[in-house]
Amino acid sequence: DTGVSQDPRHKITKRGQNVTFRCDPISEHNRLYWYRQTLGQGPEFLTYFQNEAQLEKSRLLSDRFSAERPKGSFSTLEIQRTEQGDSAMYLCAQALTSGNTGELFFGEGSRLTVL
Amino acid sequence: DAKTTQPNSMESNEEEPVHLPCNHSTISGTDYIHWYRQLPSQGPEYVIHGLTSNVNNRMASLAIAEDRKSSTLILHRATLRDAAVYYCILRDQAGTDKLIFGTGTRLQVFP
Repeated sequence: DTGVSQDPRHKITKRGQNVTFRCDPISEHNRLYWYRQTLGQGPEFLTYFQNEAQLEKSRLLSDRFSAERPKGSFSTLEIQRTEQGDSAMYLCAQALTSGNTGELFFGEGSRLTVL
Repeated sequence: DAKTTQPNSMESNEEEPVHLPCNHSTISGTDYIHWYRQLPSQGPEYVIHGLTSNVNNRMASLAIAEDRKSSTLILHRATLRDAAVYYCILRDQAGTDKLIFGTGTRLQVFP
């Protein structure tokens, strides 16, 4: 258990519905990341926050996706008008130290199935 | 971001050493070499990282070639719990913070 908690662990929804995932990091502030992972592939970077500021977004993050991190604590990832191609595992990770040599702590992910 | 190349899969018997190779011929001077692994149904977990010198920790050892164009993750005695996908990642010291994962090496460990 890394201490990064994600909710829900599993979500099944119908195409066109909106879904929201929540990530509760180990501690407030520092950097928080969202990744997406499809079957047989490595995780793909979506976006990251330094405290409450969203500093980088991947082009994978279409306008149907939005992420927030109010007050630099927990974070949410919302997908609007879901499509079958959105079916994937959504992973949240946190870095507790600054600099690019520190490790990332990943949660166990939220698995989305879009029917 | 610089790319890494890993074999798709490897096999080992329990209690034997495992050497997982990674090629990164386009590595730059400021790139750190990171290894993560992902157990089934879990998020990735950090294993080890290094820049130029070989590194050891409680989980594994990292051997880095002198020209830094390749590295090897060494599990000294594989256990069944080590069955996972192992990712070799280059992380730019001067660049962005994100990790760029490839497809990794799926390690099977047989009893």
